Amino acid sequence: QVQLVESGGGVVQPGRSLTLSCAASGFSFSSQGMHWVRQAPGKGLEWVATISYEGGSKNYADSVRGRITISRDNSKSTLYLQMNSLRVDDTAIYYCAKGAFDVWGPGTLVTVSS
Amino acid sequence: SYELTQPPSVSVSPGQTARITCSGDALPDQYAYWFQQKPGQAPLLIIYKDNERPSGIPERFSGSSSGTTVALTISGVQAEDEADYYCQSVDSSGTYVFGTGTKVTVL
Repeated sequence: QVQLVESGGGVVQPGRSLTLSCAASGFSFSSQGMHWVRQAPGKGLEWVATISYEGGSKNYADSVRGRITISRDNSKSTLYLQMNSLRVDDTAIYYCAKGAFDVWGPGTLVTVSS
Repeated sequence: SYELTQPPSVSVSPGQTARITCSGDALPDQYAYWFQQKPGQAPLLIIYKDNERPSGIPERFSGSSSGTTVALTISGVQAEDEADYYCQSVDSSGTYVFGTGTKVTVL
């Protein structure tokens, strides 16, 4: 079945870096645009970034542009989110989603704290 | 920045109809999508392209659009429909935006 599974979350100090992964299975990963969406504790959904099916087009939310990079490896059916200069307000559950946001992973929690 | 505005909460009795609105200036030109999120779970797509329902989503969920406002209607609300609901669309630059979210309480 179609599945997305995020990994790489954890506790990190402010200013440090972290890379999240999203392993895809059950569909043609290389033909789908992919997204990262986050949700701070007790808050709403916030779109973070989108990458086109071949990786040539990327778009970022203003809140993360310049600090976060979305990328993908179609040979491994894996989506990535590299996060630098992390801030306390980056604390959230990070979800990956495919295409028309029709399938989501369970999310991975990133906590930025000293 | 572009915003999609939803009412914070809606309360409804079982069997009644719940209607959740979402307002945004670009909605006349862009499709809206609706997501349901239950506590501790990832969001679930329940309406796409304003009024289309993915397979497996009950018929009691429907979407509509009129000008700068779109709406999600839940007909014959059931206890299991208690959740947070988010609309989503894109702005003129192709940036995705989620609505502020509406908590539906089944009385």
